[in-house]
Amino acid sequence: GNSVTQMEGPVTLSEEAFLTINCTYTATGYPSLFWYVQYPGEGLQLLLKATKADDKGSNKGFEATYRKETTSFHLEKGSVQVSDSAVYFCALSLPNDYKLSFGAGTTVTVRA
Amino acid sequence: NAGVTQTPKFQVLKTGQSMTLQCAQDMNHNSMYWYRQDPGMGLRLIYYSASEGTTDKGEVPNGYNVSRLNKREFSLRLESAAPSQTSVYFCASIPYRGAEQFFGPGTRLTVL
Repeated sequence: GNSVTQMEGPVTLSEEAFLTINCTYTATGYPSLFWYVQYPGEGLQLLLKATKADDKGSNKGFEATYRKETTSFHLEKGSVQVSDSAVYFCALSLPNDYKLSFGAGTTVTVRA
Repeated sequence: NAGVTQTPKFQVLKTGQSMTLQCAQDMNHNSMYWYRQDPGMGLRLIYYSASEGTTDKGEVPNGYNVSRLNKREFSLRLESAAPSQTSVYFCASIPYRGAEQFFGPGTRLTVL
Protein backbone atom coordinates (compact mmCIF):
# COMPACT_ATOMS: atom_id res chain seq x y z
CA GLY A 1 0.00 0.00 0.00
CA ASN A 2 0.88 3.66 -0.03
CA SER A 3 2.71 5.13 2.94
CA VAL A 4 4.69 8.16 4.02
CA THR A 5 7.51 8.14 6.55
CA GLN A 6 8.78 11.40 7.92
CA MET A 7 11.43 12.39 10.39
CA GLU A 8 10.34 12.08 13.97
CA GLY A 9 10.39 15.13 16.13
CA PRO A 10 10.26 17.18 18.01
CA VAL A 11 12.81 19.46 16.40
CA THR A 12 14.01 22.55 18.24
CA LEU A 13 16.04 25.20 16.45
CA SER A 14 17.31 28.70 17.00
CA GLU A 15 16.13 31.55 14.81
CA GLU A 16 17.99 31.78 11.48
CA ALA A 17 19.03 28.12 11.62
CA PHE A 18 18.66 25.75 8.67
CA LEU A 19 15.72 23.38 8.81
CA THR A 20 15.35 20.08 7.02
CA ILE A 21 12.60 17.52 7.59
CA ASN A 22 13.04 14.21 5.82
CA CYS A 23 10.13 12.53 4.06
CA THR A 24 10.18 9.30 2.09
CA TYR A 25 7.28 7.51 0.50
CA THR A 26 6.10 4.20 -0.87
CA ALA A 27 3.50 4.26 -3.60
CA THR A 28 2.26 2.26 -6.54
CA GLY A 29 2.12 4.56 -9.51
CA TYR A 30 3.04 8.23 -9.76
CA PRO A 31 1.90 10.19 -6.72
CA SER A 32 1.57 13.90 -6.12
CA LEU A 33 3.45 14.98 -3.00
CA PHE A 34 2.51 17.63 -0.49
CA TRP A 35 3.75 19.39 2.60
CA TYR A 36 1.11 20.71 4.96
CA VAL A 37 1.68 23.00 7.95
CA GLN A 38 -0.43 23.21 11.07
CA TYR A 39 0.05 26.24 13.31
CA PRO A 40 -1.00 25.95 16.97
CA GLY A 41 -4.76 25.74 17.34
CA GLU A 42 -5.44 25.75 13.61
CA GLY A 43 -6.26 23.35 10.81
CA LEU A 44 -3.80 22.07 8.22
CA GLN A 45 -2.94 24.27 5.30
CA LEU A 46 -1.07 23.41 2.16
CA LEU A 47 2.51 24.68 2.26
CA LEU A 48 3.76 23.39 -1.09
CA LYS A 49 3.31 20.58 -3.57
CA ALA A 50 4.93 18.78 -6.49
CA THR A 51 3.11 16.67 -9.00
CA LYS A 52 5.89 14.95 -10.95
CA ALA A 53 9.49 13.85 -10.63
CA ASP A 54 12.10 16.63 -10.32
CA ASP A 55 9.45 19.27 -9.66
CA LYS A 56 10.37 21.70 -6.90
CA GLY A 57 7.62 23.12 -4.74
CA SER A 58 8.30 26.36 -2.89
CA ASN A 59 6.43 28.76 -0.63
CA LYS A 60 7.26 31.13 2.26
CA GLY A 61 10.97 30.31 1.94
CA PHE A 62 10.37 26.56 2.15
CA GLU A 63 11.37 24.21 -0.66
CA ALA A 64 11.03 20.52 -1.45
CA THR A 65 12.07 18.56 -4.55
CA TYR A 66 10.28 15.45 -5.77
CA ARG A 67 13.02 12.80 -6.07
CA LYS A 68 11.70 9.68 -7.74
CA GLU A 69 15.00 7.82 -7.60
CA THR A 70 15.17 8.09 -3.81
CA THR A 71 11.37 8.27 -3.29
CA SER A 72 11.85 11.37 -1.18
CA PHE A 73 10.38 14.85 -0.73
CA HIS A 74 12.49 16.51 1.96
CA LEU A 75 11.41 19.92 3.26
CA GLU A 76 14.05 22.65 3.70
CA LYS A 77 14.25 26.25 4.79
CA GLY A 78 17.46 28.20 4.92
CA SER A 79 16.69 30.55 7.81
CA VAL A 80 13.78 29.81 10.11
CA GLN A 81 11.82 32.32 12.16
CA VAL A 82 9.88 31.95 15.40
CA SER A 83 6.71 32.15 13.31
CA ASP A 84 7.69 28.87 11.58
CA SER A 85 6.98 26.97 14.79
CA ALA A 86 4.34 24.46 13.77
CA VAL A 87 3.65 20.82 12.95
CA TYR A 88 4.63 19.77 9.41
CA PHE A 89 3.01 16.87 7.58
CA CYS A 90 4.22 15.16 4.43
CA ALA A 91 1.49 13.54 2.31
CA LEU A 92 0.89 11.85 -1.01
CA SER A 93 -2.03 11.17 -3.28
CA LEU A 94 -2.43 9.10 -6.40
CA PRO A 95 -4.33 10.35 -9.46
CA ASN A 96 -7.11 7.79 -9.15
CA ASP A 97 -7.39 7.80 -5.38
CA TYR A 98 -9.73 9.88 -3.25
CA LYS A 99 -7.60 9.51 -0.15
CA LEU A 100 -4.36 11.11 0.97
CA SER A 101 -1.69 9.21 2.90
CA PHE A 102 -0.17 11.36 5.65
CA GLY A 103 3.05 11.06 7.57
CA ALA A 104 2.90 11.23 11.36
CA GLY A 105 3.87 14.88 11.50
CA THR A 106 7.00 16.64 12.78
CA THR A 107 6.74 19.29 15.47
CA VAL A 108 9.16 22.16 14.94
CA THR A 109 9.87 24.78 17.59
CA VAL A 110 11.99 27.81 16.75
CA ARG A 111 13.46 29.77 19.67
CA ALA A 112 14.38 33.43 19.50
CA ASN B 1 -14.86 32.40 -0.14
CA ALA B 2 -15.03 31.00 3.37
CA GLY B 3 -13.43 27.70 2.27
CA VAL B 4 -14.21 24.85 4.68
CA THR B 5 -16.13 25.79 7.80
CA GLN B 6 -16.84 23.66 10.85
CA THR B 7 -19.22 24.07 13.77
CA PRO B 8 -18.93 24.07 16.68
CA LYS B 9 -15.34 25.06 17.44
CA PHE B 10 -15.41 23.53 20.92
CA GLN B 11 -17.72 21.03 22.59
CA VAL B 12 -17.82 19.19 25.89
CA LEU B 13 -20.04 16.13 26.18
CA LYS B 14 -20.80 13.62 28.86
CA THR B 15 -20.38 9.92 28.15
CA GLY B 16 -23.43 8.60 26.30
CA GLN B 17 -24.56 11.93 24.89
CA SER B 18 -24.96 12.39 21.17
CA MET B 19 -24.00 15.24 18.90
CA THR B 20 -23.44 16.15 15.27
CA LEU B 21 -20.42 17.99 13.94
CA GLN B 22 -21.18 20.13 10.94
CA CYS B 23 -18.96 20.82 7.95
CA ALA B 24 -19.60 22.92 4.87
CA GLN B 25 -17.49 24.00 1.90
CA ASP B 26 -18.23 26.70 -0.65
CA MET B 27 -15.63 25.68 -3.25
CA ASN B 28 -17.90 23.32 -5.22
CA HIS B 29 -15.66 20.40 -4.29
CA ASN B 30 -16.85 16.88 -5.00
CA SER B 31 -15.22 14.92 -2.19
CA MET B 32 -15.27 15.52 1.55
CA TYR B 33 -13.55 13.92 4.53
CA TRP B 34 -13.63 13.60 8.30
CA TYR B 35 -10.42 13.05 10.27
CA ARG B 36 -9.53 12.89 13.90
CA GLN B 37 -6.21 14.06 15.30
CA ASP B 38 -4.84 12.71 18.54
CA PRO B 39 -1.46 13.41 20.16
CA GLY B 40 1.19 11.13 18.70
CA MET B 41 -1.28 9.52 16.26
CA GLY B 42 -1.22 11.97 13.38
CA LEU B 43 -4.36 12.24 11.27
CA ARG B 44 -6.70 9.29 10.98
CA LEU B 45 -9.48 9.10 8.42
CA ILE B 46 -12.92 8.36 9.88
CA TYR B 47 -15.19 8.55 6.83
CA TYR B 48 -15.16 10.15 3.44
CA SER B 49 -17.62 10.96 0.69
CA ALA B 50 -16.22 10.68 -2.81
CA SER B 51 -19.25 12.42 -4.27
CA GLU B 52 -22.71 13.56 -3.30
CA GLY B 53 -24.77 10.53 -2.34
CA THR B 54 -21.86 8.25 -1.43
CA THR B 55 -19.98 7.62 1.80
CA ASP B 56 -17.20 5.17 2.68
CA LYS B 57 -15.42 4.09 5.83
CA GLY B 58 -11.90 5.18 6.59
CA GLU B 59 -9.54 3.56 9.05
CA VAL B 60 -11.39 4.39 12.29
CA PRO B 61 -15.18 4.48 11.58
CA ASN B 62 -16.46 2.70 14.69
CA GLY B 63 -18.70 4.87 16.85
CA TYR B 64 -19.42 7.38 14.08
CA ASN B 65 -21.96 7.94 11.35
CA VAL B 66 -21.91 10.45 8.51
CA SER B 67 -24.35 12.12 6.18
CA ARG B 68 -23.54 13.84 2.92
CA LEU B 69 -26.50 16.20 3.01
CA ASN B 70 -25.75 17.84 -0.34
CA LYS B 71 -22.66 18.78 -2.28
CA ARG B 72 -21.71 21.46 0.25
CA GLU B 73 -22.33 19.74 3.58
CA PHE B 74 -20.95 16.63 5.27
CA SER B 75 -21.86 15.94 8.89
CA LEU B 76 -20.36 13.58 11.45
CA ARG B 77 -22.54 12.11 14.20
CA LEU B 78 -21.56 10.55 17.48
CA GLU B 79 -24.57 8.56 18.67
CA SER B 80 -23.23 7.69 22.12
CA ALA B 81 -20.05 9.55 22.93
CA ALA B 82 -17.21 7.80 24.74
CA PRO B 83 -14.09 9.28 26.39
CA SER B 84 -12.00 7.59 23.66
CA GLN B 85 -13.63 9.98 21.18
CA THR B 86 -12.02 12.98 22.84
CA SER B 87 -10.07 14.44 19.97
CA VAL B 88 -9.76 17.25 17.48
CA TYR B 89 -11.92 16.64 14.41
CA PHE B 90 -11.09 18.06 11.01
CA CYS B 91 -13.18 18.22 7.90
CA ALA B 92 -11.54 18.50 4.48
CA SER B 93 -12.50 18.60 0.82
CA ILE B 94 -10.90 18.14 -2.58
CA PRO B 95 -12.04 19.27 -6.05
CA TYR B 96 -11.00 16.04 -7.84
CA ARG B 97 -9.11 12.82 -7.24
CA GLY B 98 -5.40 13.25 -6.59
CA ALA B 99 -5.69 16.92 -5.65
CA GLU B 100 -4.60 18.52 -2.40
CA GLN B 101 -7.06 18.64 0.46
CA PHE B 102 -8.46 21.85 1.93
CA PHE B 103 -9.01 21.68 5.68
CA GLY B 104 -11.40 23.33 8.08
CA PRO B 105 -10.27 24.90 11.38
CA GLY B 106 -11.27 21.91 13.50
CA THR B 107 -13.67 21.04 16.31
CA ARG B 108 -12.14 20.32 19.71
CA LEU B 109 -14.31 17.71 21.42
CA THR B 110 -13.95 16.55 25.01
CA VAL B 111 -16.00 13.63 26.31
CA LEU B 112 -16.10 13.35 30.09
